[in-house]
Amino acid sequence: DGGITQSPKYLFRKEGQNVTLSCEQNLNHDAMYWYRQDPGQGLRLIYYSQIVNDFQKGDIAEGYSVSREKKESFPLTVTSAQKNPTAFYLCASIRRLVDGMNTEAFFGQGTRLTVV
Amino acid sequence: DAKTTQPNSMESNEEEPVHLPCNHSTISGTDYIHWYRQLPSQGPEYVIHGLTSNVNNRMASLAIAEDRKSSTLILHRATLRDAAVYYCILRYQGGKLIFGQGTELSVKP
Repeated sequence: DGGITQSPKYLFRKEGQNVTLSCEQNLNHDAMYWYRQDPGQGLRLIYYSQIVNDFQKGDIAEGYSVSREKKESFPLTVTSAQKNPTAFYLCASIRRLVDGMNTEAFFGQGTRLTVV
Repeated sequence: DAKTTQPNSMESNEEEPVHLPCNHSTISGTDYIHWYRQLPSQGPEYVIHGLTSNVNNRMASLAIAEDRKSSTLILHRATLRDAAVYYCILRYQGGKLIFGQGTELSVKP
């Protein structure tokens, strides 16, 4: 079955350590996104990528980094520069708009990161 | 970037219709209107989307105002499983998906 997978579901790290969250999709989607969600809040866009080897900052990119070396993978690194990294992280993918076509976004089940 | 505005919360009774409003007064002509919903500790799931015309699918209906500055998600018969946070978002040609705060829907038995 096609889908988008985030791993791990729960992640614990010590303060000051970098940590990388995995996001893989086998939907052949062009665009991928990373969001952060804090308790009781909506989703905030961290980074997004429309094509391989290209990505753009979202609204809260500071302290995060990404790469897009393969179409199916879009890992997110939470660096030690991120002041408040404990949050629920969500990855999404979507087929790029082409010739007026529009399709829905698919989301992973999220990774809950706790930094102690 | 165009924004969406939704009420923070709404209540409904089970088996009754629910109308969830969304304002997007700065929408551009090429922005699609998407609706997603999120259950606790899960990723959002797609509900419905549209551009200009009203849309129906097995989950819901989407009514889009003639001037496209607002839209309404309609759940025809709310069930307890429909209790979730509902997000109205605009999909730009540039690709960004910007989420607002959403509407938390509670369904009473």
